[in-house]
Amino acid sequence: GGIITQTPKFLIGQEGQKLTLKCQQNFNHDTMYWYRQDSGKGLRLIYYSITENDLQKGDLSEGYDASREKKSSFSLTVTSAQKNEMAVFLCASSLRDRNTEVFFGKGTRLTVV
Amino acid sequence: GDSVTQMQGQVTLSEDDFLFINCTYSTTWYPTLFWYVQYPGEGPQLLLKVTTANNKGISRGFEATYDKGTTSFHLQKASVQESDSAVYYCVLGDWTNAYKVIFGKGTHLHVLP
Repeated sequence: GGIITQTPKFLIGQEGQKLTLKCQQNFNHDTMYWYRQDSGKGLRLIYYSITENDLQKGDLSEGYDASREKKSSFSLTVTSAQKNEMAVFLCASSLRDRNTEVFFGKGTRLTVV
Repeated sequence: GDSVTQMQGQVTLSEDDFLFINCTYSTTWYPTLFWYVQYPGEGPQLLLKVTTANNKGISRGFEATYDKGTTSFHLQKASVQESDSAVYYCVLGDWTNAYKVIFGKGTHLHVLP
């Protein structure tokens, strides 16, 4: 089996700060994703990438940048943290197959003070 | 665009009650459908999946049937346990441009002992 590792687990930022979240997977999966999870709103797709150096915008990409430096890693940057923002960011990965399972990391919990 | 609808935000049951979580989807073709479960402090994990080939998925006492006529994919379990308390997501696999998954808003199941 494999694992998805997200760092840091908890991130506290200041309003206006640029913050970077990192994700590593050892499944050798082609596709990686970043989702944002807010209480009562389910998961919303921010960015995904189908291969190294590829980036595709999701429904919630405004205010974020992403980078797929290599197949195993996918980072997400909050370009300007919003005051009182609180959410969990989930990284995931999968094969490029319509029937495949998506595997998730445990998340990074962001709090902006 | 493609979408998934879960109307029940929260369900509270007692142990041994019957569980039914409603899910409908909208897409222009025949997707692969999944149910994911998320426990506190964890990322979502696959509970079961159903393709157009098999129409029904069963796992850990849960089952879901793919109904193309009503575009529904409801989750059922005959007798819930306290350990089933979690958030359940109905998920659609989208192959429109590149493979990505679309999550419903989730149903928080709380099972009373």
